[in-house]
Amino acid sequence: NAGVTQTPKFRVLKTGQSMTLLCAQDMNHEYMYWYRQDPGMGLRLIHYSVGEGTTAKGEVPDGYNVSRLKKQNFLLGLESAAPSQTSVYFCASSYGGAGNTIYFGEGSWLTVV
Amino acid sequence: AQKITQTQPGMFVQEKEAVTLDCTYDTSDPSYGLFWYKQPSSGEMIFLIYQGSYDQQNATEGRYSLNFQKARKSANLVISASQLGDSAMYFCAMREGRGSSASKIIFGSGTRLSIRP
Repeated sequence: NAGVTQTPKFRVLKTGQSMTLLCAQDMNHEYMYWYRQDPGMGLRLIHYSVGEGTTAKGEVPDGYNVSRLKKQNFLLGLESAAPSQTSVYFCASSYGGAGNTIYFGEGSWLTVV
Repeated sequence: AQKITQTQPGMFVQEKEAVTLDCTYDTSDPSYGLFWYKQPSSGEMIFLIYQGSYDQQNATEGRYSLNFQKARKSANLVISASQLGDSAMYFCAMREGRGSSASKIIFGSGTRLSIRP
């Protein structure tokens, strides 16, 4: 079972470049999330989606955009990358809210130089 | 405002001993859920245990149990008979609300657990 798949897994960007991280889930989950994790720290919520065509801001949304055109995909975009966006990015999904467990992808390591 | 607080940045425990990882939370919503995740050095996030705010009993999953003290707003993770493979970062997380409003999940800063042989 694929679960939650993130691409790419590693990327080095120059300051000012743009890129898109793709998250795909094959579990028919309604909710999807993008988190970032900086060294030695917890996960901070960037954006999330409660269904196809919907998105909402999390704790640290500035500098990122997202889209959920298809239920199974959640895209995270960096329009003009900055060194402060160097981080590990995790995508996650869950069937619904409340007690539903969220399942994580393996992470995407992004370095902005 | 910090909603999930993990006050132990790091802990060392002898193998086979029990260990308690602390987590306190802050919410005014009567409906919420608390999660614990394990992140080994390989980086993946592994779900361990869940406790709902209306659950009458403390959650247990194998060697993991959650010491849920609602009045104190604490949800400590207890690992019994620790093993070397338990060495990892552990994160406490909370989801507030019910149904479609229970969408955001917020994480604490984590505790790094190291098991000594």
